[in-house]
Amino acid sequence: SQQGEEDPQALSIQEGENATMNCSYKTSINNLQWYRQNSGRGLVHLILIRSNEREKHSGRLRVTLDTSKKSSSLLITASRAADTASYFCATNSGGYQKVTFGTGTKLQVIP
Amino acid sequence: NAGVTQTPKFQVLKTGQSMTLQCAQDMNHNSMYWYRQDPGMGLRLIYYSASEGTTDKGEVPNGYNVSRLNKREFSLRLESAAPSQTSVYFCATASALSTDTQYFGPGTRLTVL
Repeated sequence: SQQGEEDPQALSIQEGENATMNCSYKTSINNLQWYRQNSGRGLVHLILIRSNEREKHSGRLRVTLDTSKKSSSLLITASRAADTASYFCATNSGGYQKVTFGTGTKLQVIP
Repeated sequence: NAGVTQTPKFQVLKTGQSMTLQCAQDMNHNSMYWYRQDPGMGLRLIYYSASEGTTDKGEVPNGYNVSRLNKREFSLRLESAAPSQTSVYFCATASALSTDTQYFGPGTRLTVL
């Protein structure tokens, strides 16, 4: 069963705008990660946030984590056409080396 | 460095045929994983191997077998393919120091007729 569920399922924005994606999960976690998948390619790790962290930045990416609401958000600022991809959250709930992926948000950035 | 490689890239099988998907990594990672990705389902873990010589079932292991041949290679075998196994299969690896960050191969697109 899926642990994470992303919202929205699809998002279309103009280049230069910010994109926000949300992830909700069901059980307690050790950490949460975000991955990007370009069409026809494998997933690429973007950022990891631990359960005792509330916010993390990496370049144009900002991730927040609210463990009381069991939710996380990924903000991509000043989006570019190259950001067009699907974005997945992945949670680690303590199982040995097991990571559970959500269903993904498909982002389209229009030039 | 090639990272994580998978062969073949595409495969079409008939129901009942068998095949092995190959995965190799040159990242010296201990952990290796096999996932399948279906539309609207995200990625689901089939099997994983925490280290050479060990394998464990994931969420959807039925119909599959795996072999961790050595530290570099982790293969996934379909003994008798079924249309329900039509999917995109991804291999991933993780190091012992940072097991949460996984590195993915490019995928194998499998169609079972």
